[in-house]
Amino acid sequence: KAGVTQTPRYLIKTRGQQVTLSCSPISGHRSVSWYQQTPGQGLQFLFEYFSETQRNKGNFPGRFSGRQFSNSRSEMNVSTLELGDSALYLCASSWNSGARTEAFFGQGTRLTVV
Amino acid sequence: SQQGEEDPQALSIQEGENATMNCSYKTSINNLQWYRQNSGRGLVHLILIRSNEREKHSGRLRVTLDTSKKSSSLLITASRAADTASYFCATESKETSGSRLTFGEGTQLTVNP
Repeated sequence: KAGVTQTPRYLIKTRGQQVTLSCSPISGHRSVSWYQQTPGQGLQFLFEYFSETQRNKGNFPGRFSGRQFSNSRSEMNVSTLELGDSALYLCASSWNSGARTEAFFGQGTRLTVV
Repeated sequence: SQQGEEDPQALSIQEGENATMNCSYKTSINNLQWYRQNSGRGLVHLILIRSNEREKHSGRLRVTLDTSKKSSSLLITASRAADTASYFCATESKETSGSRLTFGEGTQLTVNP
């Protein structure tokens, strides 16, 4: 069974640009969550999608958005990039939302904003 | 902000020794999970312990959970150089619907050969 796949692995963008990150969950998993990891703030929850609907949202500005497709793949978008958005963005896959089971993570997308 | 706190922040041991990491949290939880991360890469799931469990084993890993003290510990026995990584605990709160993990700050473990 393939794991969680995130693309691209690395990205360099300029301030003010926008970026889209992609996450393909484990086959059969329907819940996808996104996290931001920075040295200063650690791992912070961004949002969760289940059945193409946002179930939960963390404390991030509206520049951060996401969506989920009918095949459970998810994308995350950040508009008007700021230097502080430089981080490792991690996607987690669970078989159901609120199922209280394991969440499996992808390798992450390393975003650098210059 | 991070709910969990882990201690120690850094731990350096020799190969073959045991490593113990602790995690504390603040809310009522459904479960607690431990993850490993190598050098800024993805998180590898190690073990999940539910709120009604007190101890769980998986290979060289032993996890305990004390819900009255809101704390958990991860013990790695007979450590190897390959165990060098950051270890994080993550909780799923009873107060949150859906899937949402709150992570601790992590413990950086170094196992010297």
